[in-house]
Amino acid sequence: EAQVTQNPRYLITVTGKKLTVTCSQNMNHEYMSWYRQDPGLGLRQIYYSMNVEVTDKGDVPEGYKVSRKEKRNFPLILESPSPNQTSLYFCASNSGTSGTGELFFGEGSRLTVL
Amino acid sequence: AQSVTQPDIHITVSEGASLELRCNYSYGATPYLFWYVQSPGQGLQLLLKYFSGDTLVQGIKGFEAEFKRSQSSFNLRKPSVHWSDAAEYFCAVGQRGYQKVTFGTGTKLQVIP
Repeated sequence: EAQVTQNPRYLITVTGKKLTVTCSQNMNHEYMSWYRQDPGLGLRQIYYSMNVEVTDKGDVPEGYKVSRKEKRNFPLILESPSPNQTSLYFCASNSGTSGTGELFFGEGSRLTVL
Repeated sequence: AQSVTQPDIHITVSEGASLELRCNYSYGATPYLFWYVQSPGQGLQLLLKYFSGDTLVQGIKGFEAEFKRSQSSFNLRKPSVHWSDAAEYFCAVGQRGYQKVTFGTGTKLQVIP
C-alpha cells in the first residue's frame, strides 16, 4: 500500500530536549516536505527536498533541521525544542516534476513541548 | 509571493443543501490549484486539482471546482452535502516543478441534520 509514515504520532517533551520525527515514503517519490499546522494559520511549509541531498527552506524553517540521505526518508529534527514549536506536523511527498502534482500526506505527528 | 485566502473560517450547512467554499489566490503565472480535505484526526486527502484546460474540474466524493482567472478564484462546490462531508477543507496553490505549495488557512464545515 502506498503510504507516508510518520513517527511518533504523539509526543510530549520538554524544552531543550532534542527530538527527531521520522518520515518515510514507499512510493519512490523525489519530493518530500514538512508542514506544521496551527489553528487559524493553516499549513505552513517548514522545509522541502527535491531529491537526495537537496533540501531548502520553506516559510517557517527557524528551529528545525532536516536531512535527505536516502530517497525514502526525510526526518525532521528539533535540536532544542521550545514551546512555540508545539504543533501538528505533517510530512508529505510527491513524485516531482514527472508527477501529477498531488501531495501524499502522512497522518501527522502531534508534538507538545512543555 | 504566492498566497491563498479562504475568507470563511467556519461554515454550517444543512444536510442535503448545496455548498460553496471560497478560495482566492495570488500568483504571477498560471497556478496549479488544489483542494484538500482533512477529516478529524486524519491527514489531508486530495479532492481535486487544476493544472490547465477545462476550468471546471471534477473531484472525488461529488465535489467540483471552477477556476476563474479574472477573479483569481477557485471555489469548491457540491450540490448536496452529506453528513460525512463534515471536515476541514484547504485550498492550495503551487507551481510547475512543485517546489512550493502554499495552503490557505482552511474552512471548517459543519453539517447539521
